[in-house]
Amino acid sequence: AQSVAQPEDQVNVAEGNPLTVKCTYSVSGNPYLFWYVQYPNRGLQFLLKYITGDNLVKGSYGFEAEFNKSQTSFHLKKPSALVSDSALYFCAVRAHYGGATNKLIFGTGTLLAVQP
Amino acid sequence: DAGVTQSPTHLIKTRGQQVTLRCSPKSGHDTVSWYQQALGQGPQFIFQYYEEEERQRGNFPDRFSGHQFPNYSSELNVNALLLGDSALYLCASSLARNSNQPQHFGDGTRLSIL
Repeated sequence: AQSVAQPEDQVNVAEGNPLTVKCTYSVSGNPYLFWYVQYPNRGLQFLLKYITGDNLVKGSYGFEAEFNKSQTSFHLKKPSALVSDSALYFCAVRAHYGGATNKLIFGTGTLLAVQP
Repeated sequence: DAGVTQSPTHLIKTRGQQVTLRCSPKSGHDTVSWYQQALGQGPQFIFQYYEEEERQRGNFPDRFSGHQFPNYSSELNVNALLLGDSALYLCASSLARNSNQPQHFGDGTRLSIL
């Protein structure tokens, strides 16, 4: 069964410090991995994806993520956090089969709080 | 370029009633997926529509049904509402022939059941 785990309900970081939001996954076959961000009373905004290729992917607003196949992880990172980065972050996986499905499996989310 | 639009924004219903939520996909997209996001949880996949047919379904009862129209817009219908149906309902659109691309989400419909 496909699943995504985000082990931290909340991550606190001071503005200007690096941040990491953790994600591990379980899926049959090659995974398509995504990070989305959700601001209060809004839908999900796409940040970045890993499909294939370089294990370090860069996305919107200075975020990046590192795919690690041996550890089945896809951690979200940013070198210098901003107060405006405070939001709810979701990791998601989509299994890729020969008639690919678009169904996304989401983690439970991690609340990022950046203190001034 | 309009993104995914959902209506209404908020809705209040009572137990046993029926509700219809609407979604217009991003311009150029042909596939619509619906998700339920309960408070404090990640979105859960309800079903997906492509070419006006339900293509895949998550673990939701038959009270949840949908429809896709020739212009690719979609409706989500929920019958016999329960208190547990209170949630944010998200619509996401994508292009079927380009499965490498991410789904685009609307801002959702907040459904409250009294």
